[in-house]
Amino acid sequence: EDKVVQSPLSLVVHEGDTVTLNCSYEVTNFRSLLWYKQEKKAPTFLFMLTSSGIEKKSGRLSSILDKKELFSILNITATQTGDSAIYLCAAIPNSGSRLTFGEGTQLTVNP
Amino acid sequence: ETGVTQSPTHLIKTRGQQVTLRCSSQSGHNTVSWYQQALGQGPQFIFQYYREEENGRGNFPPRFSGLQFPNYSSELNVNALELDDSALYLCASSLVGLASHEQFFGPGTRLTVL
Repeated sequence: EDKVVQSPLSLVVHEGDTVTLNCSYEVTNFRSLLWYKQEKKAPTFLFMLTSSGIEKKSGRLSSILDKKELFSILNITATQTGDSAIYLCAAIPNSGSRLTFGEGTQLTVNP
Repeated sequence: ETGVTQSPTHLIKTRGQQVTLRCSSQSGHNTVSWYQQALGQGPQFIFQYYREEENGRGNFPPRFSGLQFPNYSSELNVNALELDDSALYLCASSLVGLASHEQFFGPGTRLTVL
C-alpha cells in the first residue's frame, strides 16, 4: 500500500525563523511529489517535483526531492504570520492522477 | 480561487441518514476526484470519475458512491452515515492529458454526523 509520512506533525516558530518540513514516501511506480498549502479549506498547489536533486524555488519557499532516499523537504525562510497553515505533501504514481497524501504539518508562525 | 465549486458548504446529519455532496469542475476539466479529510489528517482518495465512469477507487466501502454528469459535474453519495464519516470532503478537477499537478481543489463540504 502506498504511504506518505510527514514530519513534524506540528511546528511553532517566530516570525523570521527558517523552517524545514519533511516528507518521506513509499509509492509503487512513483512519478512525482507535490506540495500543497492548506489555509482554510482548499489545498493550493505549491510545487511539483519529479527529478531528483533539482531545487524548485518560489520566493521564500523552496523544495527538493531525493528519489534515492525517497524523501522531499520544503524550506521556508524568513517566515511570516501568513505562512501559518497546514502543509501537505502528496505522491502521484505513473498510472492515473490519484494523490496519496501525508498527514500534513501544521505550521504556526507567531509575531 | 480555483473555478471548482462545491455545495453545500456545511452539512449536519445523523447516523443512518444519507447525504449527497455536489461538485462543479473547473471549465474545460473532464475528471473529478473526491477526497475525505478527517480532522488532523491528510486527504484520503475516495474515487475518481472520468467520462461519467468510475476510474479508480480508494479503500472506501460501497456505501460511498458517485456520479459524473455530461457537463462533468459530480456527486458524492454516502449511505448509512456513521460518526466516522464526519470530515471535510474535497473534490478536485483536472483534465486528462495535463500535467499531474494540474488538479484544482474546491473549498470542500464540511460534513458533521451526530
